[in-house]
Amino acid sequence: ETGVTQTPRHLVMGMTNKKSLKCEQHLGHNAMYWYKQSAKKPLELMFVYSLEERVENNSVPSRFSPECPNSSHLFLHLHTLQPEDSALYLCASSHGTGGGQPQHFGDGTRLSIL
Amino acid sequence: GQQLNQSPQSMFIQEGEDVSMNCTSSSIFNTWLWYKQDPGEGPVLLIALYKAGELTSNGRLTAQFGITRKDSFLNISASIPSDVGIYFCAGRGGATNKLIFGTGTLLAVQP
Repeated sequence: ETGVTQTPRHLVMGMTNKKSLKCEQHLGHNAMYWYKQSAKKPLELMFVYSLEERVENNSVPSRFSPECPNSSHLFLHLHTLQPEDSALYLCASSHGTGGGQPQHFGDGTRLSIL
Repeated sequence: GQQLNQSPQSMFIQEGEDVSMNCTSSSIFNTWLWYKQDPGEGPVLLIALYKAGELTSNGRLTAQFGITRKDSFLNISASIPSDVGIYFCAGRGGATNKLIFGTGTLLAVQP
């Protein structure tokens, strides 16, 4: 139990589908993150939310749309994805975004695009 | 941009052996973190380092914040099969002060 729960754990979708990934943290943190993890590449930071405001968007294509309705929940809405978007999507949370506060990760959603 | 070089990429060792891995950066960092990721799970924080020269242990794991502030080391003593996984370093500092991750070290332990 990491305190950060992601659903679903696995998702297979076609390029024309629309789906959403969900993340919930029970750690009392006020910052949440989406990362993409592909084989043999460093973790790629996609989005950062602090106090429910998006503070970072690292040139992510618009087919990925994040939503943070409150400090405990984070969503990633997906539509018209491409095969190269197949990866493990990790959510993380922390106390604030600066300083040395470590990020705590969920177990990820394994996404496969057909 | 900032880069973290993590080495080795992979290690195949016998149970009971000691393990060392390291990360180097092109910039001065103020924080180093070490994570382990088991198959099918997310990274789990092992050790956090905040001062140059700091040496911190977590059971059989020991990590050090390099004096130059551009590197960090993780040692695992007397490895056991459950140490298998991918170990990631992460650091924060440089011009952007963003947290960036290394490419990971895959550790395989043969009983």
